[in-house]
Amino acid sequence: EAGVAQSPRYKIIEKRQSVAFWCNPISGHATLYWYQQILGQGPKLLIQFQNNGVVDDSQLPKDRFSAERLKGVDSTLKIQPAKLEDSAVYLCASSPLEGLYEQYFGPGTRLTVT
Amino acid sequence: AQRVTQPEKLLSVFKGAPVELKCNYSYSGSPELFWYVQYSRQRLQLLLRHISRESIKGFTADLNKGETSFHLKKPFAQEEDSAMYYCALKGWGKLQFGAGTQVVVTP
Repeated sequence: EAGVAQSPRYKIIEKRQSVAFWCNPISGHATLYWYQQILGQGPKLLIQFQNNGVVDDSQLPKDRFSAERLKGVDSTLKIQPAKLEDSAVYLCASSPLEGLYEQYFGPGTRLTVT
Repeated sequence: AQRVTQPEKLLSVFKGAPVELKCNYSYSGSPELFWYVQYSRQRLQLLLRHISRESIKGFTADLNKGETSFHLKKPFAQEEDSAMYYCALKGWGKLQFGAGTQVVVTP
């Protein structure tokens, strides 16, 4: 089966600019996750969707980050305006359902904010 | 609050030597624990989970609730085991990762 797809793979922007990341989960997977991984740290969950509803966005900086999952399939994560500390790898993952099911990760988008 | 601690950032071992990656956690409930691995230029992927009690690629991990640990072990390291390893805890519906341990196996 095809894996989780993400684009772009790399992005360099200046602070205060906006950026958007796209994720296409594995077909049929109901749950989609966005993680932020800062250099030297483990991934940190930003937001979790179950179909097109938000399950957990407690760690999403909502003043500048937003995410949506229209039609319960693809998802976009947006940062507006970006700050230097947003430089990180943004990982998308999906799983058939929430719970014990394994999460399958995409290749990530490496964001550099200058 | 839940927390996952991986005290070693880097572990360098010789091929054929045993390797143990430490993971300690804090969680008030009954934890679900996992080890994820990321090989060079590959995606993060699940290595094993504690409920499965299985050995994957020669690796095993035992949940010790008394010591709140979930250490990953392999008796004989291979060069292909060189990778980044993350311990993760599933609590209150959320997967929390440790900072990771880079394993380098030298011939």
